[in-house]
Amino acid sequence: KAGVTQTPRYLIKTRGQQVTLSCSPISGHRSVSWYQQTPGQGLQFLFEYFSETQRNKGNFPGRFSGRQFSNSRSEMNVSTLELGDSALYLCASSPTGLSGANVLTFGAGSRLTVL
Amino acid sequence: AQSVTQPDIHITVSEGASLELRCNYSYGATPYLFWYVQSPGQGLQLLLKYFSGDTLVQGIKGFEAEFKRSQSSFNLRKPSVHWSDAAEYFCAVGAPGGYQKVTFGTGTKLQVIP
Repeated sequence: KAGVTQTPRYLIKTRGQQVTLSCSPISGHRSVSWYQQTPGQGLQFLFEYFSETQRNKGNFPGRFSGRQFSNSRSEMNVSTLELGDSALYLCASSPTGLSGANVLTFGAGSRLTVL
Repeated sequence: AQSVTQPDIHITVSEGASLELRCNYSYGATPYLFWYVQSPGQGLQLLLKYFSGDTLVQGIKGFEAEFKRSQSSFNLRKPSVHWSDAAEYFCAVGAPGGYQKVTFGTGTKLQVIP
């Protein structure tokens, strides 16, 4: 079974630009969560999608947005990039059902550097 | 709101020595508890999880963790550490009910010396 795939793995942007990151979950997983990881703040929850609906949202400004497609693939977008947005962005997928609840399988991440 | 505290930012142990990483959580009921490991430049890998039942759970790579409700703790242990265990370890708490808002601790970086 293929794992969680995130693209691109590395990218460099300049302040003011926007970026879109992609995540393909494990086949059959319908929940996709996004996290931002930085040395100072650790892992912070961005949002979670299930069946194309955002169910949970973390405490991030509106510049951070996401969506999920009918095939469960997800994208997140950051507009008007700031230096502080430099981070490793991690996507995680999870199966449906109580037994699979909250068991996150992570991708390798997308490393964003903002100059 | 749920929260997780990992009091040790960095731990150094000798290869072959035992290991215990501390984790305390805050949640109104019995939460779902997890330990993940992250190697440099990689995503997180699940080591073990606790949902209910036996409070001592076994995970991969020889790790185990014990849920202690009275202490709100979920400490990770390994009897004999290998050099390949050097990584960063994250404790996490999730809310039962299926919604995927999992909160992570700040992590403990493990260094293994020969």
